[in-house]
Amino acid sequence: SQQGEEDPQALSIQEGENATMNCSYKTSINNLQWYRQNSGRGLVHLILIRSNEREKHSGRLRVTLDTSKKSSSLLITASRAADTASYFCATEPRISAGGTSYGKLTFGQGTILTVHP
Amino acid sequence: GAVVSQHPSWVICKSGTSVKIECRSLDFQATTMFWYRQFPKQSLMLMATSNEGSKATYEQGVEKDKFLINHASLTLSTLTVTSAHPEDSSFYICSASLGGLAFFGQGTRLTVV
Repeated sequence: SQQGEEDPQALSIQEGENATMNCSYKTSINNLQWYRQNSGRGLVHLILIRSNEREKHSGRLRVTLDTSKKSSSLLITASRAADTASYFCATEPRISAGGTSYGKLTFGQGTILTVHP
Repeated sequence: GAVVSQHPSWVICKSGTSVKIECRSLDFQATTMFWYRQFPKQSLMLMATSNEGSKATYEQGVEKDKFLINHASLTLSTLTVTSAHPEDSSFYICSASLGGLAFFGQGTRLTVV
């Protein structure tokens, strides 16, 4: 079942500004991942943050994870028009007894980001 | 990186016909693959887990007799939408895991007319 919620649902900014998207989830997780999807196309993996990590950087991307609040945020700095896309968080659940469910992801509702040139 | 190839990328079919979508892991073996569905302007919803050599595991609300999954080899899973209807029109996307990461196919846009 879909558990993730993202806000905002849509975000419109000017090129050069920062974009922040938030994601909340409900169950215990092994990791949380962020994906990008251009209109009607496949998913591009952006970044993965493990449950024991609090912050991770990759280029212009910064992801935070707060497992106590079951929330994560994705920050895109110095946005570009080419960043225009939908962004989804996805969680990999932690199964009881320390197991994993590699690749079985639950996606958030997504944030549609529009960056105006 | 690992590559997952999905075919076809788009298909238009008549109502009542069946459509087969293939998902291949090109450079690695995948004992488990996943099938997701995405309706317009919505998120991805897991439909089923495809297990090599055994029956697929379907999520609640997904009709196993309508969405037939076959995972006959370690590199290929197929999803067949049987007796497709316009409400089955959607974006179908598969994934396979390697090293704890999920790699997605390009997706298949199905339009039933």
